[in-house]
Amino acid sequence: GDSVTQMEGPVTLSEEAFLTINCTYTATGYPSLFWYVQYPGEGLQLLLKATKADDKGSNKGFEATYRKETTSFHLEKGSVQVSDSAVYFCAPLPPGAGSYQLTFGKGTKLSVIP
Amino acid sequence: DAGVIQSPRHEVTEMGQEVTLRCKPISGHDYLFWYRQTMMRGLELLIYFNNNVPIDDSGMPEDRFSAKMPNASFSTLKIQPSEPRDSAVYFCASQGTNFPGVAFFGQGTRLTVV
Repeated sequence: GDSVTQMEGPVTLSEEAFLTINCTYTATGYPSLFWYVQYPGEGLQLLLKATKADDKGSNKGFEATYRKETTSFHLEKGSVQVSDSAVYFCAPLPPGAGSYQLTFGKGTKLSVIP
Repeated sequence: DAGVIQSPRHEVTEMGQEVTLRCKPISGHDYLFWYRQTMMRGLELLIYFNNNVPIDDSGMPEDRFSAKMPNASFSTLKIQPSEPRDSAVYFCASQGTNFPGVAFFGQGTRLTVV
């Protein structure tokens, strides 16, 4: 079945630093790809997504590009803020009709210090 | 819509007691998922429903766990009898048919079994 590997955390950055969180996946065919974010004490929420190769998802200054050749979907942000401190989850969704079951990575905890 | 609503937010119970967690999905969403989150195991899918019918319960840890969805606006996850190793945060999430992979999570129920 599908699987996803995220870089291990925790990641600690100073405010305004550049962020990269790596994500690679194994899947049959071409899945849709998602990043979810979990702020302290809350449930996960969708951050961004990409549904086909070379698509770039973006939201709140975060970006990720669907790289078919490297089966990757790395999350980036040019200048992090303290409010970005959270746990980030990469999740592929298998292709095909009737596919709704996300496979979540283990999550990468980001702490941004002033 | 108020989003996915879970209750209670916190539950502390003694080992051996029955615990019932509740979830109200977003109106119109046809898919409902139950997840468990722990530090050791991350986010695990327990079971999911489509149109109130259980589709995949392979993630349910053992017979002590059961889930029902009697109608489109309500689901329960029951643990009987509860054990200390069941202590975790339990999340409910829903998805709409037209947006596969776009999941809306509740705020979770933090269960502590002592």
